[in-house]
Amino acid sequence: GPKVLQIPSHQIIDMGQMVTLNCDPVSNHLYFYWYKQILGQQMEFLVNFYNGKVMEKSKLFKDQFSVERPDGSYFTLKIQPTALEDSAVYFCASSSDWNYAEQFFGPGTRLTVL
Amino acid sequence: GDKVKQSPSALSLQEGTNSALRCNFSIAATTVQWFLQNPRGSLINLFYLVPGTKENGRLKSTFNSKESYSTLHIRDAQLEDSGTYFCAAVMPNYNVLYFGSGTKLTVEP
Repeated sequence: GPKVLQIPSHQIIDMGQMVTLNCDPVSNHLYFYWYKQILGQQMEFLVNFYNGKVMEKSKLFKDQFSVERPDGSYFTLKIQPTALEDSAVYFCASSSDWNYAEQFFGPGTRLTVL
Repeated sequence: GDKVKQSPSALSLQEGTNSALRCNFSIAATTVQWFLQNPRGSLINLFYLVPGTKENGRLKSTFNSKESYSTLHIRDAQLEDSGTYFCAAVMPNYNVLYFGSGTKLTVEP
């Protein structure tokens, strides 16, 4: 099926540092998403994004978080500064449409904040 | 509270047997997806459903929007079916997938 890629697969950083997680969505998709899964817990929505704008975000999407997709390159999630509670696996997803469209997920980036 | 309640939380099956997983939705869902999260953590898309039923090999899934539930049936379970199964639903007015808490399936020889 359609493939979403994420880089890196693992990232270890010290608390307070900045981190950027990269997502390469399915090539013709225009709608992008980030989800967060803390180890052993439920997957939770962070944000969705279309046409250069955040469309919806959850309360987990703190002020330290930002997303962008400059000119068709990677869709990124930046956390600055990081906190211990940001340790989790972050999944990127994309879809071809806004409504009634299947979301396809990447393999996740495991972020460890020390 | 939880918008998506998934059951059971864990399930152990003998190879060759059948079982069903279920998700109940607290409010009306518009679409449902089922995923398998493999031991490496990757999410594999199993089904995307508007109300109705789909079948793929030994898997069959139904989404009943009127009664607010979805089921995933596994027939003739194999060792490689082991992993954690998640359902997720989109609710009206939000383009967000709300996930269930998962069913950890272990298939034993």
